[in-house]
Amino acid sequence: DAGVTQSPTHLIKTRGQQVTLRCSPKSGHDTVSWYQQALGQGPQFIFQYYEEEERQRGNFPDRFSGHQFPNYSSELNVNALLLGDSALYLCASSSWAGAPLFFGPGTRLTVL
Amino acid sequence: GESVGLHLPTLSVQEGDNSIINCAYSNSASDYFIWYKQESGKGPQFIIDIRSNMDKRQGQRVTVLLNKTVKHLSLQIAATQPGDSAVYFCAENMSRNNAGNMLTFGGGTRLMVKP
Repeated sequence: DAGVTQSPTHLIKTRGQQVTLRCSPKSGHDTVSWYQQALGQGPQFIFQYYEEEERQRGNFPDRFSGHQFPNYSSELNVNALLLGDSALYLCASSSWAGAPLFFGPGTRLTVL
Repeated sequence: GESVGLHLPTLSVQEGDNSIINCAYSNSASDYFIWYKQESGKGPQFIIDIRSNMDKRQGQRVTVLLNKTVKHLSLQIAATQPGDSAVYFCAENMSRNNAGNMLTFGGGTRLMVKP
């Protein structure tokens, strides 16, 4: 049983560019959440998707958007990249009923 | 792999000793708490969780204690092993209205196990 998978592993972009990160949830999970983890800090909640809709959102600007597909996989899009967007982006999946979140390995985004 | 937690509080213990990692949470209305372990270059790994209607929960070699009066959470690891070396995060569920979990993480503690 595969856990949460994310792609790509690493990504380098320049300021102003746009990026798309991808996530496949753990088998049997229908809810996907995205977190941003800056170096030396704990993860921060970006948003959560369930039934292809954004259900909850953290304190992130509209440059951060997402999508969930019918197979429960998800994408995170970030527009107009800033240097401060450099971080590890983590995808976590769970069942909607509130079981613990299981995290993927993350995508390391570097903005130059 | 990359380094996680360059300036985190550090707990150093001898192999075989017990470890206690503490965490203060912010919201007295939080109803669900989780401990995660994060090794360098990896995503957080679920260790154990506890709901607010409990004071204590035990797993394999780990125990979580919840003190709602002072909003304090602790993780106890018995017979600490070198493989336990990692950064440990506590997280509380901030979502309301029966929505899915929306976790707020603490700053993390680095556990170093000396052989």
